[in-house]
Amino acid sequence: AQRVTQPEKLLSVFKGAPVELKCNYSYSGSPELFWYVQYSRQRLQLLLRHISRESIKGFTADLNKGETSFHLKKPFAQEEDSAMYYCALKGGSEKLVFGKGTKLTVNP
Amino acid sequence: SAVISQKPSRDICQRGTSLTIQCQVDSQVTMMFWYRQQPGQSLTLIATANQGSEATYESGFVIDKFPISRPNLTFSTLTVSNMSPEDSSIYLCSVYRVRGETQYFGPGTRLLVL
Repeated sequence: AQRVTQPEKLLSVFKGAPVELKCNYSYSGSPELFWYVQYSRQRLQLLLRHISRESIKGFTADLNKGETSFHLKKPFAQEEDSAMYYCALKGGSEKLVFGKGTKLTVNP
Repeated sequence: SAVISQKPSRDICQRGTSLTIQCQVDSQVTMMFWYRQQPGQSLTLIATANQGSEATYESGFVIDKFPISRPNLTFSTLTVSNMSPEDSSIYLCSVYRVRGETQYFGPGTRLLVL
């Protein structure tokens, strides 16, 4: 079975502090992992995907197959990073399985 | 990217009635998906809608409750039938244009059932 776990429902940090949003997955094959973000009153949008290995808005995420994790990190959080973040997994089909999401609040 | 619109954006309905949600894409897409996001919950896939074939439903979702149409490569509808308050949710459609590409999401339809 495919499963995505985001252990933190809420995460609050101060501006300029590092932030890490945790994501663990369960899948027997080779997964494709994504981070989606939903800013207030906006639609869900892709933030990054592991196969791209790129940094978007200062965020990075590395797939760790040994720990089955895909944590999202940013060294210096900004107030505009406040949003809902969803980790998602794509297994053998085109369907996405989402975690429950983490609400990030960056305080001034 | 793909531009996706949904109608209605929100609605308040009485229990026992049905609501049809439309999803329109600005370009032809191979696969369309319908998700539900209940209050405080994550997105749950309802079904996959491919043009020219029956929709494929996920466990816990049935065609009688959530009939789907996919008449062409740019449009799909999801009907929420015989609604109850438990159907209050945000319903989203999403698309892939080509296999392996990013999945794009519509703005969602916020449904409240009284």
